[in-house]
Amino acid sequence: LAKTTQPISMDSYEGQEVNITCSHNNIATNDYITWYQQFPSQGPRFIIQGYKTKVTNEVASLFIPADRKSSTLSLPRVSLSDTAVYYCLVGVPLTGGFKTIFGAGTRLFVKA
Amino acid sequence: GAGVSQSPRYKVTKRGQDVALRCDPISGHVSLYWYRQALGQGPEFLTYFNYEAQQDKSGLPNDRFSAERPEGSISTLTIQRTEQRDSAMYRCASSLEGGRNTEAFFGQGTRLTVV
Repeated sequence: LAKTTQPISMDSYEGQEVNITCSHNNIATNDYITWYQQFPSQGPRFIIQGYKTKVTNEVASLFIPADRKSSTLSLPRVSLSDTAVYYCLVGVPLTGGFKTIFGAGTRLFVKA
Repeated sequence: GAGVSQSPRYKVTKRGQDVALRCDPISGHVSLYWYRQALGQGPEFLTYFNYEAQQDKSGLPNDRFSAERPEGSISTLTIQRTEQRDSAMYRCASSLEGGRNTEAFFGQGTRLTVV
């Protein structure tokens, strides 16, 4: 199983861009990189997923270098409501399913 | 349904009792996952199903924990002879397809407290 390493916590201010980097040195060829967001008292919520290069959606961008040993989640112009825990995951595809291993995540605290 | 539904939302039980936690996935979702989450920690994988088949149960802590999904829809996680260390948030998730990386949708969870 590919293990991920990400910062335990980060602080930012409203309106700033936040970049959270995750290391996954042992990522396998078939693995995708997925990021989830979790607010207190709620279940994790999918943010973005990618395999290589750059992926962008209405919420965030995901940058993945050619060696895929790391990835960076970019949140543009964060607001107070972006305060949450962000998990970087490397999916392990198995027969008929998808086993996702969560780490401790990065606690992002956005200040006014 | 509109989302993944879990019941009960809260369960307080006495040590030694059995509990059954229910998960109703999004209609049509093939894969269903169970996680356990301690306060301040990330979700810990327990087991997952593809349709009614339990594909991986390597995360179940011991033989007191079991799960089933007999008709490929609703799933039940059962904990026998509960212990205080079983107290946690139990989360269920479902995804549309198995066999490739897809987005998982999580329910609100069941908060289990063993006293």
